[in-house]
Amino acid sequence: AQSVTQPDIHITVSEGASLELRCNYSYGATPYLFWYVQSPGQGLQLLLKYFSGDTLVQGIKGFEAEFKRSQSSFNLRKPSVHWSDAAEYFCAEGSSNTGKLIFGQGTTLQVKP
Amino acid sequence: DAGVIQSPRHEVTEMGQEVTLRCKPISGHNSLFWYRQTMMRGLELLIYFNNNVPIDDSGMPEDRFSAKMPNASFSTLKIQPSEPRDSAVYFCASSPRGSGIYEQYFGPGTRLTVT
Repeated sequence: AQSVTQPDIHITVSEGASLELRCNYSYGATPYLFWYVQSPGQGLQLLLKYFSGDTLVQGIKGFEAEFKRSQSSFNLRKPSVHWSDAAEYFCAEGSSNTGKLIFGQGTTLQVKP
Repeated sequence: DAGVIQSPRHEVTEMGQEVTLRCKPISGHNSLFWYRQTMMRGLELLIYFNNNVPIDDSGMPEDRFSAKMPNASFSTLKIQPSEPRDSAVYFCASSPRGSGIYEQYFGPGTRLTVT
């Protein structure tokens, strides 16, 4: 079955440090991949998406993600984390057969002052 | 432009009562999704509509749950009768017109508490 794995349930980084959140997908030679962010008490907001083309995609809020087919990964990165980045981050893959998004379990990011 | 609108934002009800959650998708979007989020189970897709027609309701937990989309600008998710295990945050999301995979835009959610 199609699945998305986020190996890290919780990550803590210091403000100003770099960040990488891991995501592995399980299905598709040409996957449709997304990263969403959810702040406390809020809905999910789209950070970025990958459909095809350049494997390094830029998103909002200074985030980027790199698609690596050989590793079935789509890791999210940010060079310098701000305290306002503390939130839960979800990776998702789209199914071209069903139109559904399959979400990972999420990674909670805590930012230390 | 307004995003996805959900109401109410918070709902507290007693076990056995009927609960109706409402969603207004983004204008021009032709797909609508209902999700449930809990700590234990994460984000679960309950049902989704394409052009107001239910396409996949395999995620609806049981017959107590029903969803409708009478027109392109409105959808409801009803739970009758409600149970404490239905307590969760319910999200509605919509996706642009067209085929294939498009990003989904989420509403702020309805936090449901069933006592």
